[in-house]
Amino acid sequence: DIQMTQSPPSLSASLGDKVTITCQASQNINKYIAWYQQKPGKAPRLLIRYTSTLESGTPSRFSGSGSGRDYSFSISNVESEDIASYYCLQYDNLLTFGSGTKLEIK
Amino acid sequence: VQLVESGGGLVQPGKSLKLSCSASGFTFSSYGMHWIRQAPGKGLDWVAYISSSSGTVYADAVKGRFTISRDNAKNTLYLQLNSLKSEDTAIYYCARGYNWGQGVMVTVSS
Repeated sequence: DIQMTQSPPSLSASLGDKVTITCQASQNINKYIAWYQQKPGKAPRLLIRYTSTLESGTPSRFSGSGSGRDYSFSISNVESEDIASYYCLQYDNLLTFGSGTKLEIK
Repeated sequence: VQLVESGGGLVQPGKSLKLSCSASGFTFSSYGMHWIRQAPGKGLDWVAYISSSSGTVYADAVKGRFTISRDNAKNTLYLQLNSLKSEDTAIYYCARGYNWGQGVMVTVSS
């Protein structure tokens, strides 16, 4: 089974900051990673698939990168509406989720 | 890709429930499908997988209690939940890779 190690568990940022979340897979996942945003009481929303492909409607301040086992997700110019939890998902072999990162505004 | 779950509800411990997921917008029979879940206030967990040829894989937490199946003629995915426990309380989502439905709530409580 593939394990996904996501960090940090929580993040506090000021409006306008750039923040980065990382996920490390236990083996090569061939760029098959997606990133989701979840706001309280809502279903997760797909933001990015295949490492760096933005879904329709995802603001350009969101980005993803990586290869092999190591991947990152960034939000540049954090806005108040970005307050949420973020999860990575590998879909190379079955599905495995990261443990999540809660983003708060300072 | 559109996935719509149904069949959730309140059920007593030890009882059973069957979830359905109606799929549209793609050739359902050609894709492997998953069920995933999220317990209240917790993270996301993969539950089960069924391949296009109906091979199945389960998470250890549900092995022997849950059964995933599919009806390609009806474009429908199922999850039979037996011997339910309080820790199975969660929102259950059907998924085709990174595409999910909106989920259905299952509450296990006496």
